[in-house]
Amino acid sequence: KAGVTQTPRYLIKTRGQQVTLSCSPISGHRSVSWYQQTPGQGLQFLFEYFSETQRNKGNFPGRFSGRQFSNSRSEMNVSTLELGDSALYLCASSSSGRTYEQYFGPGTRLTVT
Amino acid sequence: AQKVTQAQTEISVVEKEDVTLDCVYETRDTTYYLFWYKQPPSGELVFLIRRNSFDEQNEISGRYSWNFQKSTSSFNFTITASQVVDSAVYFCALGSNYQLIWGAGTKLIIKP
Repeated sequence: KAGVTQTPRYLIKTRGQQVTLSCSPISGHRSVSWYQQTPGQGLQFLFEYFSETQRNKGNFPGRFSGRQFSNSRSEMNVSTLELGDSALYLCASSSSGRTYEQYFGPGTRLTVT
Repeated sequence: AQKVTQAQTEISVVEKEDVTLDCVYETRDTTYYLFWYKQPPSGELVFLIRRNSFDEQNEISGRYSWNFQKSTSSFNFTITASQVVDSAVYFCALGSNYQLIWGAGTKLIIKP
């Protein structure tokens, strides 16, 4: 089975721009979670989707949003980028989310200048 | 509040030594899951083990072993006869409410 894929792998944006990151889960997995990883804050949960519904959301401002499509692929969007949004954004998929056994993609490294 | 604490920021040992990574968690849930993930320099998080709150049996997988003790809210990870390839950042996480709550990670350096 193919693993979790994330595109793009690297991205450089300017403050004030917006960005969309994409995640394709493992085939058959219906739950997709997003995490932000920074040296200062570590790994932080952004949101989780299951069958196109957001089930949980972390403590991030409204500039961070996401969605999931009927094929389970997910996108996250960050509007009005700030320097502090520079991070590794990780996507994880699981079959149902109930057991929390999540498999991670390689991440998207976002740099905001 | 739910929290995961990995008090060891960095550990450095010589190859073939045994090393234990500590993890302490806090939760009020009666049902929860605990995890260990490995993050090599490439950045991808690699799943190592999952334990649910009702299963306190220790587990051994090759050179890896895990000790889950509910009485002390700890889920420690031991690598026996460490190898250079074990060098990575190791994260402990608590699964609750459809999210993983992460510890800060322990950077493990295995010197040849």
